[in-house]
Amino acid sequence: NAGVTQTPKFQVLKTGQSMTLQCAQDMNHEYMSWYRQDPGMGLRLIHYSVGAGITDQGEVPNGYNVSRSTTEDFPLRLLSAAPSQTSVYFCASRRDVGNTIYFGEGSWLTVV
Amino acid sequence: GDSVTQMEGPVTLSEEAFLTINCTYTATGYPSLFWYVQYPGEGLQLLLKATKADDKGSNKGFEATYRKETTSFHLEKGSVQVSDSAVYFCALSPVGGSYIPTFGRGTSLIVHP
Repeated sequence: NAGVTQTPKFQVLKTGQSMTLQCAQDMNHEYMSWYRQDPGMGLRLIHYSVGAGITDQGEVPNGYNVSRSTTEDFPLRLLSAAPSQTSVYFCASRRDVGNTIYFGEGSWLTVV
Repeated sequence: GDSVTQMEGPVTLSEEAFLTINCTYTATGYPSLFWYVQYPGEGLQLLLKATKADDKGSNKGFEATYRKETTSFHLEKGSVQVSDSAVYFCALSPVGGSYIPTFGRGTSLIVHP
């Protein structure tokens, strides 16, 4: 029972590089989200999706892109990495509004 | 908009002590309320939830009661263990309208032997 799977677990990037954080869920959930977690800031929503082909911005979307071509996958793209994007990133999914949110194990990203 | 306020940590306790982590919320209507726990190096996972007023969620010895009159969902445990050391997040999920859940900033719990 995989749940929400994120890759990679750890990544070091140089400023200006681009990369994609992968996220996949096998629970047929419509709702998927990306959060970043920084010390003292709690969880901040980057982007979210309410179904395949539908995405929207969260609280801190600048510097990130998403797409949702299938129900299962929700990749997060960093377009040109900056040190301010050093963080822990979590992908999450849920079946419907009001239901339990399932989180991936996190991706630790360092931008130097 | 919706908001969740939880007590700042860290909360430091000795093993077998009583735990309370306060959580209050602001929302319209009757949101669903959750406590999530994050162990070191891991993602958040559901600890317990309540979907309507006066409901009590419970799991692993933890409890929280949905109090509409005080807009609160305080987390309690009668006797904590070292293995309970983690960060605890209070969250609400609105009903109707917004799809976006709201999380508190998290409270770190440290339990000493």
